[in-house]
Amino acid sequence: GAGVSQTPSNKVTEKGKYVELRCDPISGHTALYWYRQSLGQGPEFLIYFQGTGAADDSGLPNDRFFAVRPEGSVSTLKIQRTERGDSAVYLCASSLRGTGANVLTFGAGSRLTVL
Amino acid sequence: QKEVEQDPGPLSVPEGAIVSLNCTYSNSAFQYFMWYRQYSRKGPELLMYTYSSGNKEDGRFTAQVDKSSKYISLFIRDSQPSDSATYLCAMTDSWGKLQFGAGTQVVVTP
Repeated sequence: GAGVSQTPSNKVTEKGKYVELRCDPISGHTALYWYRQSLGQGPEFLIYFQGTGAADDSGLPNDRFFAVRPEGSVSTLKIQRTERGDSAVYLCASSLRGTGANVLTFGAGSRLTVL
Repeated sequence: QKEVEQDPGPLSVPEGAIVSLNCTYSNSAFQYFMWYRQYSRKGPELLMYTYSSGNKEDGRFTAQVDKSSKYISLFIRDSQPSDSATYLCAMTDSWGKLQFGAGTQVVVTP
């Protein structure tokens, strides 16, 4: 696609529920990133994929968070047993590796509200 | 202490003024520096990218990096109301994850 697409754009859920957020990166981009942005803060790194594998998942806050990218394109961020503190905008970005400049293109984000 | 410090503002300037934004950082390994612009309810959009120290100019935008002081700046000349947004600095030591500042909200009044 022309840009990074994220669905849903908004998600409201109840505490304890399971949530999946989807990211469709720019076609041909091999690197994919998930960030979380809380109100009034900059994006905070969660996980980075190079192809199908997670190259760096050091930003995942705990084992309730998990992400997959099974075919090296679309990625899903999964959050189990959601807590109110998980409320934030979840941003996905992709980049074309090997160009000499790791320019990240961000999607518009999925706004998660946990009641 | 955060690795990247950025004044959240808001910074209000009249149309046509120069906007001056800056970030400080503590990790001397950072060598790639970026400025992103983020409009309300949108994702960040890359404005400027600089490698190591020095200046870079692109139209009305100038980015400066001073690695000896661990200080980066973004200047916007002839500011327009359409420049009203949050400006995020970001940096990295490699091609992996970016470390962002908190963002500075800029308001350009007509």
